[in-house]
Amino acid sequence: QVKLQESGPGLVKPSGTLSLTCAVSGGSLSSSNWWTWVRQPPGKGLEWIGEIYHSGTTNNNPSLKSRVTISIDKSENQFSLKLTSMTAADTAVYYCARGKGTRPYYYSGLDVWGQGTTVTVSS
Amino acid sequence: SFELTQPPSVSVSPGQTASITCSGDKLGDKYVCWYQLKPGQSPVVVMYQDNKRPSGIPERFSGSNSGSTATLTISETQAVDEADYFCQAWDSKTEVFGGGTKLTVL
Repeated sequence: QVKLQESGPGLVKPSGTLSLTCAVSGGSLSSSNWWTWVRQPPGKGLEWIGEIYHSGTTNNNPSLKSRVTISIDKSENQFSLKLTSMTAADTAVYYCARGKGTRPYYYSGLDVWGQGTTVTVSS
Repeated sequence: SFELTQPPSVSVSPGQTASITCSGDKLGDKYVCWYQLKPGQSPVVVMYQDNKRPSGIPERFSGSNSGSTATLTISETQAVDEADYFCQAWDSKTEVFGGGTKLTVL
């Protein structure tokens, strides 16, 4: 059974950089899945941040422009998120998730999620 | 940019059928997923590829997608179904979520 666990700082200063890691257990990052980051600001909906395939191919949310970097470390079985130029608007619960399969015909959605980690942007 | 629109709230009586819609330009040409999110928990996928239920999701959950609207239908709604529901679709190498619908069972 695949499990995901986010780790990282709970507090980031304005203009700083957020670095989060998602440890994957019970499965391999080399499987045909998309490893994904999603966030939920307080009182708001879900926002897709981006994803990475085991090949290193990434897709990111255009609204976050060049602030997002997603990387993968298959030797450690983890993937990571870096988000630069943090502002209060980036305060959210950040989730890592597995996007199972490949699009369009073999994708079955984000089927495994981490528990989420709360990130607050404040000085 | 591609957007998905959901009603902010839907109310249903226990045992009745709840329908949650998700609208987007030519949405019927895309596959839609639905997620259930309860307070303090992580999201759970309840529908993928428009109308496929993951294992463990009750049969009373069903989905459809045609034209510009996808619909998640919950038959014989129970109190345990009270949650926020989000639709999701893929467009231009981006996953897009709808704004979410709060389902109230009263």
